[in-house]
Amino acid sequence: DGGITQSPKYLFRKEGQNVTLSCEQNLNHDAMYWYRQDPGQGLRLIYYSQIVNDFQKGDIAEGYSVSREKKESFPLTVTSAQKNPTAFYLCASRRQGYEQFFGPGTRLTVL
Amino acid sequence: GENVEQHPSTLSVQEGDSAVIKCTYSDSASNYFPWYKQELGKRPQLIIDIRSNVGEKKDQRIAVTLNKTAKHFSLHITETQPEDSAVYFCAADYSNYQLIWGAGTKLIIKP
Repeated sequence: DGGITQSPKYLFRKEGQNVTLSCEQNLNHDAMYWYRQDPGQGLRLIYYSQIVNDFQKGDIAEGYSVSREKKESFPLTVTSAQKNPTAFYLCASRRQGYEQFFGPGTRLTVL
Repeated sequence: GENVEQHPSTLSVQEGDSAVIKCTYSDSASNYFPWYKQELGKRPQLIIDIRSNVGEKKDQRIAVTLNKTAKHFSLHITETQPEDSAVYFCAADYSNYQLIWGAGTKLIIKP
């Protein structure tokens, strides 16, 4: 069963805490992406990676960090520097020039 | 930077009528244009896409048209049904690995 998985589905963060969102794909896609979506809003790019051990900042990278040590995995850390992290986080992957596949998302709430 | 403009932001149509959503892109090198549907609380999913060597593509009640000269493309949904209610996003390929996204259109089907 091919696809993208994200965990956890729901995540709660306390003030000053770092949290890590998991994203795994078994589609053999080179490129992976993280988006943030606020209620009623569109998709904003946080980070993307085209190959292993390389990644680039998107439009709203401040307060976030990523790593790409394996082709299948692209975890996102929401640091304490991100002051308003409550949002729906979507991971995606893509083969060059083709459709982008999304994971089911993680809903992060700050307590 | 590269940009995709999407209109309207909200579209309300009577059940059974047609709906049209329009997007304009800025990068003349773009050659792949997907449309995604996002239901409330779910991930975006591809409903139809078109490449620059094709002017129109149909899939049952859904069609997409592309005008490369004018740099715009449109989604057409005929005989709308309640399950068509969702947010629709257009996108344009940028440098093959990135998709530049429109802001989204909330489609409301009135019974």
